Amino acid sequence: DSGVTQTPKHLITATGQRVTLRCSPRSGDLSVYWYQQSLDQGLQFLIQYYNGEERAKGNILERFSAQQFPDLHSELNLSSLELGDSALYFCASSVGPVVDTQYFGPGTRLTVL
Amino acid sequence: DAKTTQPPSMDCAEGRAANLPCNHSTISGNEYVYWYRQIHSQGPQYIIHGLKNNETNEMASLIITEDRKSSTLILPHATLRDTAVYYCIVRTTVSGSARQLTFGSGTQLTVLP
Repeated sequence: DSGVTQTPKHLITATGQRVTLRCSPRSGDLSVYWYQQSLDQGLQFLIQYYNGEERAKGNILERFSAQQFPDLHSELNLSSLELGDSALYFCASSVGPVVDTQYFGPGTRLTVL
Repeated sequence: DAKTTQPPSMDCAEGRAANLPCNHSTISGNEYVYWYRQIHSQGPQYIIHGLKNNETNEMASLIITEDRKSSTLILPHATLRDTAVYYCIVRTTVSGSARQLTFGSGTQLTVLP
């Protein structure tokens, strides 16, 4: 158990819909990272927040957005969902913003029908 | 971050040492070598990391060559539960540089009974 929690575990929805994935970092960690893992793309970095502010962006679509709240939990919002958005979404956390070890949550499996 | 090369798959007998190689010939002086593993669709699990010296923890040992162009992850007594995809990742320590982990294809380790 890494100490990072993610909800829900599974999410099934239809194309065009909007969903919110939630992540709670390990106690004491200020950085949260979101990754997407699809069958054909592998693990891809989406976005990072540190202490409430966006710090780095990766291959995140404009239809996706994220935020980190004062209690440090983070939410990833996915809108106008397409079939290709079906994937595992992982959250990771670390103490600081740069080189600290990242610890991953169990992931949310999103299925778009 | 430097690119890494790993064999796509390896087998190991249960109870024997598993030695997983990684080539990172373009690594620079400020880059760490990290190892993670992912057990079928679970969140990636941090194993170990190092900069120059060999490292050991309760999970594994990391041997980095003197020129730092390659490394080997050693699982001393592999069990069936060590069957997973193992990722070798090179990550910079320089502040302001990319903070995310860049995952390649990894090595699928299968521990055989």
